[in-house]
Amino acid sequence: QQQVKQSPQSLIVQKGGISIINCAYENTAFDYFPWYQQFPGKGPALLIAIRPDVSEKKEGRFTISFNKSAKQFSLHIMDSQPGDSATYFCASMDSNYQLIWGAGTKLIIKP
Amino acid sequence: KAGVTQTPRYLIKTRGQQVTLSCSPISGHRSVSWYQQTPGQGLQFLFEYFSETQRNKGNFPGRFSGRQFSNSRSEMNVSTLELGDSALYLCASSVVETYLGTDTQYFGPGTRLTVL
Repeated sequence: QQQVKQSPQSLIVQKGGISIINCAYENTAFDYFPWYQQFPGKGPALLIAIRPDVSEKKEGRFTISFNKSAKQFSLHIMDSQPGDSATYFCASMDSNYQLIWGAGTKLIIKP
Repeated sequence: KAGVTQTPRYLIKTRGQQVTLSCSPISGHRSVSWYQQTPGQGLQFLFEYFSETQRNKGNFPGRFSGRQFSNSRSEMNVSTLELGDSALYLCASSVVETYLGTDTQYFGPGTRLTVL
């Protein structure tokens, strides 16, 4: 069964610092790599996603990058804020075009 | 547009019972997926329905079943509940996002199921 390996499992960053979460996939049917953000008691919400023809996408303080040869993609959060404290999930698409999810990273931003 | 709604939000059942969870997708979304979320296992895919047909299925036992109605609303049923079925059950509806070229999933708040 295909897997997406997400690291680290948990991360503590000082306010204003850079948070970096990495994911590695095995194979993908389609170069679509979304990142979801989940707050306690809520369902995951789409944060940012990269489309097949780009290797990097930036939205505000959030940047995702994609390295096809290494089969890796990552999320960078610049100027991390306490409100960014949440669990982050990455995902890739398997051969059935079904999303395969990473195990999640619990991010804590210390004030 | 209203988001994905799930009912009930919380459920407490005992072993051996069965349970039905409901999901109403975002208006216009025809695909609904169900996930089980537990602290140690992350998001585990259960099944996906599109236009009342099961399109994909995860690796869960036959005690887990679902269906979708003509209005795209979906239900998930778990029979003969086990302690290990305690989890947050998430429903996601999806639509093709042109700028991404693929479906984007939008999640509901989930139903927290506790099996005693």
